[in-house]
Order: sequence, then C-alpha cells, then structure tokens
Amino acid sequence: SYELTQPPSVSVSPGQTARITCSGDGLSKQYGNWYRQKAGQAPVMVMYKDSERPSGIPERFSGSSSGTTVTLTISGVQAEDEADYYCQSADNSRIYVIFGGGTKLTVL
Amino acid sequence: QVQLVQSGAEVKKPGASVKVSCKASGYSFTSYDINWVRQATGQGPEWMGRMNPNNGDTDYEQKFQGRVTMTRNTSISTAYMELSSLRSEDTAVYFCARGRESVTTYFDSWGQGTPVTVSS
Repeated sequence: SYELTQPPSVSVSPGQTARITCSGDGLSKQYGNWYRQKAGQAPVMVMYKDSERPSGIPERFSGSSSGTTVTLTISGVQAEDEADYYCQSADNSRIYVIFGGGTKLTVL
Repeated sequence: QVQLVQSGAEVKKPGASVKVSCKASGYSFTSYDINWVRQATGQGPEWMGRMNPNNGDTDYEQKFQGRVTMTRNTSISTAYMELSSLRSEDTAVYFCARGRESVTTYFDSWGQGTPVTVSS
C-alpha cells in the first residue's frame, strides 16, 4: 500500500501565504483532494481534482500538482484558516481511498 | 441543500457490534456512493469502505474485511455501517461522506460524525 506524506505543521502570520504539500507515488496518476477540519467538526472539502475549488471556498485557496506532489496554497491567510488540513487520494486500482497524516496550520 | 445526518453517540463493550445510520437529503440518494471514514482522537481520517446505494455493491478496506457491513434502505434514503467484534482500538468518530467519482473519488459532503466508545 502506498502512503501520502504531509508536513506535520505549517505556521504563517496573517496575510502571508501558506503552502501545504502532500507527496505520494500514486499522485502522478491519481488526483489529490484537500479537506479542512476544525476541532470537533467534520472535514470540509476545500479542493478537489488537484486544483478545482468547490463553491463557497474563498478564492485565496488554490491547488496545484507536479509529479508526485500536490500542493494546497492559501494566499492572504486569515485567522479563520487555522485548522488541520488533510490530503486524500486513491491507489492505482481507484478502489481504495487514502488520507495523508494531516498538517496543522497555525496562524501566528 | 445536500445533508447527511447521522445517528447519535454509542457506547459499547468489547466484542459487541455497533450500527451507525446516515440519512441523506437534498439529492438523489441512489446516484452517489456513501463512504464511511473513521477518525480516532488526534489521528487522521481512515477510510473504511463504500457502498453503492443503487445496487448495494460494496468495497471494504482490507483492514475491516469480515468485521464491517455496509447496507442501505433506499425507501428512507438511509445508509448503515455495522462494525462487529469491537475492541478498544475502534473507539473513534465515524463519518459518512458522499463520494463523487472522477479519476479519483472525493468527498463533497459529510455527516456530522457519530462518536463510538468501546469500553468495558
């Protein structure tokens, strides 16, 4: 089975840009999706198919993909963006779903 | 709007079973897979499997094969996840999520979560 690797933590000051990476061999063939989760709440999808932003998600959220890494970028970070962020993809069979270990975004 | 509403918290003894429900509204229940994801405290999400509400077909993560059963009642737009032979390590919040199929499944709507505690 393959894994998705994220940095455990990212810290930025308000107004700066946060970049959260997710690496895994399968990402060269599968899309990466991103979820934001605040304490005690269900995850919320903030990016899908590498770079598609769902309705209702602010334009400061963007996504990109290069090789075996997908990146979630939050421009002009706000205090409300502080949360855990998880990437998600699937194995090459497209059957089994995989989540990354999560990145805690701290807004200083 | 799309809503997934789950059943309430459960407390079970080791060896027992738990059945969690997930009632869908705001869309055609049989048109999208229902996935189940669990999350232990302080851990990342863990995918358990999916069910096609149209025909009942399932895919289960190998780790849960033999212990998990996913079913549905289309007349009330409700999906169920039953986990048997519970152990303390199954203590977690269990979520249902609507799956959208692309090259890679993604989850565009989630239930509120059902805490399950396994304790003697």
